[in-house]
Parts: sequence; C-alpha cells; structure tokens
Amino acid sequence: DVKVTQSSRYLVKRTGEKVFLECVQDMDHENMFWYRQDPGLGLRLIYFSYDVKMKEKGDIPEGYSVSREKKERFSLILESASTNQTSMYLCASSDQVLARSPNFGPGTRLTVT
Amino acid sequence: AQTVTQSQPEMSVQEAETVTLSCTYDTSESDYYLFWYKQPPSRQMILVIRQEAYKQQNATENRFSVNFQKAAKSFSLKISDSQLGDAAMYFCAYRRGSAAAGNKLTFGGGTRVLVKP
Repeated sequence: DVKVTQSSRYLVKRTGEKVFLECVQDMDHENMFWYRQDPGLGLRLIYFSYDVKMKEKGDIPEGYSVSREKKERFSLILESASTNQTSMYLCASSDQVLARSPNFGPGTRLTVT
Repeated sequence: AQTVTQSQPEMSVQEAETVTLSCTYDTSESDYYLFWYKQPPSRQMILVIRQEAYKQQNATENRFSVNFQKAAKSFSLKISDSQLGDAAMYFCAYRRGSAAAGNKLTFGGGTRVLVKP
C-alpha cells in the first residue's frame, strides 16, 4: 500500500516565520505535488516535481518554494509566513501511469497568526 | 488551461436515497482522464471512481456511477442507496491524457454531501 506521509497534521506559526512542510512517499514515485485546499476553491496546485531537483510552478506559487533533494521527499517552504497562507496543505505522489490516481497524504492544517 | 467546475457547494440526501453531483470541465483536448474523490472528515483523499475519455461506457463502482457526456464536457457522480458513511466532501478532477511533466490533476471546488438518517 502506497504511503504518503506529511510531517504534521496541525501546525501553528507566527507571521514572518519560515515554515517547512515535509512530505515523504515510499513507492519510488517520480512525481510529487503540493496542493493548497481552501473552502469553495477546491485543491489548487502550488508546485510539483517530476524528478529529483526538478520542479515546476503550479497555479499559485507566489510566496512558496519547494525542494526535492531525494526522490522520496518533497518539501514545501514558506519563506515568510503570512496570515493569508493559513490553509490546508495536501501532498501527493504518482507514477507515470496516467490512468492511475495519485496517492495523497493526510494533509497539514497550517494556521498563521 | 483546463478548468473544472462543481456548481453545487452542498447537497443533502436522505439515507437510502440517491444523490447526483454535477461536474463540468473545459478542455480543448480529446484524450483525458476524469476522477471523483471523496474526502471524509479524516481529510484523507479517497479515489471513488475514474473515467477514461476514450471510453464511451460510463464507469461504475458498486453504489457509485458516473454519467459522462463528452460533447457536453459533463461528468456527474451518482451515489445510490446513500449511507451515513458517504457524508464527505467530493471533488471532481481532470488530468490530460498525454504525458506531460508531472501529470498533474486540476480540481473542482468541491461539493459537501450531507446524509440525513
């Protein structure tokens, strides 16, 4: 069973702090994704990575960066957290088979105060 | 860019009854995949059903079935014999059918399903 784990279920940070959200998958998937989930807006893609050290911007990359130094790990970084980044963050991973659904992590609910 | 629209923010259904969730999408491509996901209060995204655009037959998984209308770009989900455990957020998602970097999904805004006992 594919497992995608996220470092925290809940996180509370202060405005201006640097925040790291970690995601690890154990199935040797090439692709990894970070989504942000907000009520009424669904899931919006922040960044994705299709290989180690390779990354591409998604639909809402402003205020975020990512790092993928190892295949199994994909980190989302908020350089200077702001209150409008309070949200649920979901990580996912997938292989190259288009018909196969990605596997999702349990989500991190981040609150920035 | 592809967009996915779920026009019903919330739907309520009586236990054992049927509910249909709507989803429309916009794409210029002919080959793609469509997915429905369930997100219960645990927040774990669970794949409910998948449809390949090249298949005319509507996908079915137990009590869940879709009505895929390719020309209308519509992909509705029908939940039959609703159970209390079906209460959740449901998301429709689109993925292009040609290999591209990342093979990302585009999601709709979600529909909350409430099941009344």
